[in-house]
Amino acid sequence: EIVMTQSPATLSVSPGERATLSCRTSQSVSTNLAWYQQKPGQAPRLLIYGAFARATGIPARFSGSGSGTEFTLTISSLQSEDFAVYYCQQYNNLAAFGQGTKVEI
Amino acid sequence: QVQLVQSGAEVKKPGASVKVSCKASGYTFTDNYLHWVRQAPGQGLEWMGRINPSSGGTNSAQKFQGRVTLTRDSSINTAFMELSSLTSDDTAVYYCARGYYYDTMGYWGQGTLVTVSS
Repeated sequence: EIVMTQSPATLSVSPGERATLSCRTSQSVSTNLAWYQQKPGQAPRLLIYGAFARATGIPARFSGSGSGTEFTLTISSLQSEDFAVYYCQQYNNLAAFGQGTKVEI
Repeated sequence: QVQLVQSGAEVKKPGASVKVSCKASGYTFTDNYLHWVRQAPGQGLEWMGRINPSSGGTNSAQKFQGRVTLTRDSSINTAFMELSSLTSDDTAVYYCARGYYYDTMGYWGQGTLVTVSS
């Protein structure tokens, strides 16, 4: 079973600043890593797949990087609508989610 | 457009089972895996399992093996998730989600709240 670890648990940033979120996997998942955004009361939304490819309709301020066991989601200039919880998910061996990072003002 | 519409909220007693449905539309039902993910109140996302609607083949997370049953009825474009031996720890919102790129989940149902309480 692959264990996913996200850091930090909470990230406090101001609008317009850059946010950097990390995800580590207990074994290599190659680039089979996705990122999701979830707002209160809503279903998650897929942002990034294949570690760095943006899903349809996702703004360019969201970018992903990494391979193997270390991954990063960067939001280049935070907008008000970006304050949410972000999850990483591996799909190299079935699926598993990280515990989430809350991005707050 | 792709739509996944789930059945309504359920209240169950400990030890009972619950069956949640997920009706798909806007695409060919047998073309993509359907996943089940749950989220306990105030907690993160937990992957439960997936079903191949074409073959009916399933995989589930080790934690749920023996307790979760994933099925589908292709004649009505609907997938089902049944969870047995419920405890209060199973109180959660249960989501179905369609595959987007391999086992990423690009389309989600609205969620079904299952409450387990005596």
